[in-house]
Amino acid sequence: EDQVTQSPEALRLQEGESSSLNCSYTVSGLRGLFWYRQDPGKGPEFLFTLYSAGEEKEKERLKATLTKKESFLHITAPKPEDSATYLCAVRGAAGNKLTFGGGTRVLVKP
Amino acid sequence: NAGVTQTPKFQVLKTGQSMTLQCAQDMNHNSMYWYRQDPGMGLRLIYYSASEGTTDKGEVPNGYNVSRLNKREFSLRLESAAPSQTSVYFCASRSVQGNTEAFFGQGTRLTVV
Repeated sequence: EDQVTQSPEALRLQEGESSSLNCSYTVSGLRGLFWYRQDPGKGPEFLFTLYSAGEEKEKERLKATLTKKESFLHITAPKPEDSATYLCAVRGAAGNKLTFGGGTRVLVKP
Repeated sequence: NAGVTQTPKFQVLKTGQSMTLQCAQDMNHNSMYWYRQDPGMGLRLIYYSASEGTTDKGEVPNGYNVSRLNKREFSLRLESAAPSQTSVYFCASRSVQGNTEAFFGQGTRLTVV
């Protein structure tokens, strides 16, 4: 069974204070690792897909990386508008479904 | 394009009542999903439909039924609501052309009293 664990559960940052979120996973035959952003009262919004170890993707102040056991979401010089819950999910070779971690709530204070 | 549309956005039920949550997508996606989200537990898969005419159980299917009405619509039914089903429910859809991401609706906040 696919499993995803995210840490920390919550992160409080000062504006400009860079940090990283961790997503550890076990999956049989990784077909893709997905990062989503979720704002309060909204549905998850897609950020990145990573497919193989060593792959990296960037979008504005966010950079996602992937190894064989975990993924990191690096937030560089965050701004208050980066405050959100960040969700990690995996899709394995066994089927069509996404398995999510519990998420990391990020609060960036000005 | 509207993407994934869920109705209603909010609902309060009494224990034992039934209701159906509706989901429709206009992206011509093959696969559709129902998740529930509870504090600290992330998104848990209730049921999914890989293609029109098929449905499969996810991680937490007990107390729910689904219907894939056509390619666009995937409904979730609670036959006899229980307080443990108080949650936020999200519908999602995905194309099976390539390894694509899932797109989510805005959610239905359900309270069972």
